[in-house]
Amino acid sequence: SQKIEQNSEALNIQEGKTATLTCNYTNYSPAYLQWYRQDPGRGPVFLLLIRENEKEKRKERLKVTFDTTLKQSLFHITASQPADSATYLCALPYSSASKIIFGSGTRLSIRP
Amino acid sequence: GAGVSQTPSNKVTEKGKYVELRCDPISGHTALYWYRQSLGQGPEFLIYFQGTGAADDSGLPNDRFFAVRPEGSVSTLKIQRTERGDSAVYLCASSLKGGEQFFGPGTRLTVL
Repeated sequence: SQKIEQNSEALNIQEGKTATLTCNYTNYSPAYLQWYRQDPGRGPVFLLLIRENEKEKRKERLKVTFDTTLKQSLFHITASQPADSATYLCALPYSSASKIIFGSGTRLSIRP
Repeated sequence: GAGVSQTPSNKVTEKGKYVELRCDPISGHTALYWYRQSLGQGPEFLIYFQGTGAADDSGLPNDRFFAVRPEGSVSTLKIQRTERGDSAVYLCASSLKGGEQFFGPGTRLTVL
């Protein structure tokens, strides 16, 4: 069955550094991959979508890569700030474009 | 504009009771999704509506769970004979067909 794996441990980064989060998947060839941010007590907020024919996508300080050979996506936050502290989830479509499955998320903490 | 809203924000019930959770999607969004999220996990897909009909209910764990969307807008997730294992945050999301999903804040359900 399809499986999504994200860094299970929390990631602690010094402010100003680049944070890199990993999403790996197996038994799967998704047409696209999404990244969401989730703050405590809130629902996830969509950040970026990258399609299988795109190697890299950027949005402000965010950069996402998608390697369909390695079955991996990397999510980078450059010049990280304490306000970037949150849980980041990757998500993939499953069986239909409208149904997506989420990884368990990586909790990111940016210390001043 | 208004985002997705969910009521109640918290619900505490006793084992065996019936509960209803409500979702008000963003106006004009034809697609509506229900997810369940346990602590430390990503959201788990339950059901997807396109308009009034359930296009995919494969995530509903058993027949105690049922959801409706009678007029293609507001949706209600209904859980019969609640069990302690049903305790989780129930998230609702809406989207234009096939597009980015916008999540509500969730309803935290606690079954004692």
